[in-house]
Amino acid sequence: DTEVTQTPKHLVMGMTNKKSLKCEQHMGHRAMYWYKQKAKKPPELMFVYSYEKLSINESVPSRFSPECPNSSLLNLHLHALQPEDSALYLCASSQAALSPYEQYFGPGTRLTVT
Amino acid sequence: SQQGEEDPQALSIQEGENATMNCSYKTSINNLQWYRQNSGRGLVHLILIRSNEREKHSGRLRVTLDTSKKSSSLLITASRAADTASYFCATAARGRLTFGEGTQLTVNP
Repeated sequence: DTEVTQTPKHLVMGMTNKKSLKCEQHMGHRAMYWYKQKAKKPPELMFVYSYEKLSINESVPSRFSPECPNSSLLNLHLHALQPEDSALYLCASSQAALSPYEQYFGPGTRLTVT
Repeated sequence: SQQGEEDPQALSIQEGENATMNCSYKTSINNLQWYRQNSGRGLVHLILIRSNEREKHSGRLRVTLDTSKKSSSLLITASRAADTASYFCATAARGRLTFGEGTQLTVNP
């Protein structure tokens, strides 16, 4: 199974809402990632988890809160978002956090903040 | 920060033609990877070339890497309509993948 799944596929939320994005992989990968992608732009790294511990936070605002409950699951908790946070949120996994490993991406969650 | 720049930004060709995309980067890397993204969906890994390699092939894909010029190219031979997608190079360093701006390839039937 080389699939990374993400739920939900689409999410519309108001600026006062709290919601969560979920990501799951069953490839035994020990590194998981969150990316944000705006339209017609490349993905931008937000967080890296290595062996279930947060190893990289790319200065992401605290209204985004990642969580890695176990080696297969990755969550992104959202609170008090701004309209400019509307984007495609991509989860990825790889064998380990250090290169040279390729990353496997999920299909993404399309988030709209109203 | 994004260190990769790709050119062209957009490329339109006929089915059966070859497509070449270029990528430049600024810092030292462990490896360079190419990914494909169909409209608004997840990225798919295509090929990885290590910093000590100069050329790599995978099916209809050929990747070159010139570390002295900090550049790479992706060649897709005998293109198909199904190759229509955005193509991103990504440099791997310091535990991160940093993506280039991407090339939008359109293959016309």
